[in-house]
Amino acid sequence: KAGVTQTPRYLIKTRGQQVTLSCSPISGHRSVSWYQQTPGQGLQFLFEYFSETQRNKGNFPGRFSGRQFSNSRSEMNVSTLELGDSALYLCASSMTSGSDNEQFFGPGTRLTVL
Amino acid sequence: LAKTTQPISMDSYEGQEVNITCSHNNIATNDYITWYQQFPSQGPRFIIQGYKTKVTNEVASLFIPADRKSSTLSLPRVSLSDTAVYYCLVGGANQAGTALIFGKGTTLSVSS
Repeated sequence: KAGVTQTPRYLIKTRGQQVTLSCSPISGHRSVSWYQQTPGQGLQFLFEYFSETQRNKGNFPGRFSGRQFSNSRSEMNVSTLELGDSALYLCASSMTSGSDNEQFFGPGTRLTVL
Repeated sequence: LAKTTQPISMDSYEGQEVNITCSHNNIATNDYITWYQQFPSQGPRFIIQGYKTKVTNEVASLFIPADRKSSTLSLPRVSLSDTAVYYCLVGGANQAGTALIFGKGTTLSVSS
């Protein structure tokens, strides 16, 4: 069974630009969560989508948004990029929603903002 | 989600057993305890999950005392490849949706 895939793996953008990251969950998984990881703040929860609906949202500004499609694939968008948005963005999928469910993480997208 | 406290770092040698203890004094009745492992530039990987007493799988054991205010991840006979960051999380089925709250984790360094 294929794991969680994320594209692109690496991305370089400049301040003010916007970016869209993609995540394909494991087949059959309906929940997709996004996390930001930086050396200073560690792993931080961004949001979760389940059956095309946002179920949970972390403490991030409105520049961070996402969506989920009917095939459970998810995209995350960051508008008006700032230097501090440079991070590893991780996507995780699980069969259903709930923090007690095993989360399967993808390899991440490394975003660098110049 | 209940806050967790675990050691920032631990050192070990190959072949030794490593025990990492996590404190979660405010754990709720329906909360599960889950441990993840993360290697540099990779996403975390699920290791083990438990609710009470002891859970064992092919890679680790999880010991949870009766009061559930702490838990211990036990890695038997570690190898160099076990060098990673280990995160302890608590969260429950009663929580609406998924929102894993990661702490700083424990950086385990295994030497030969």
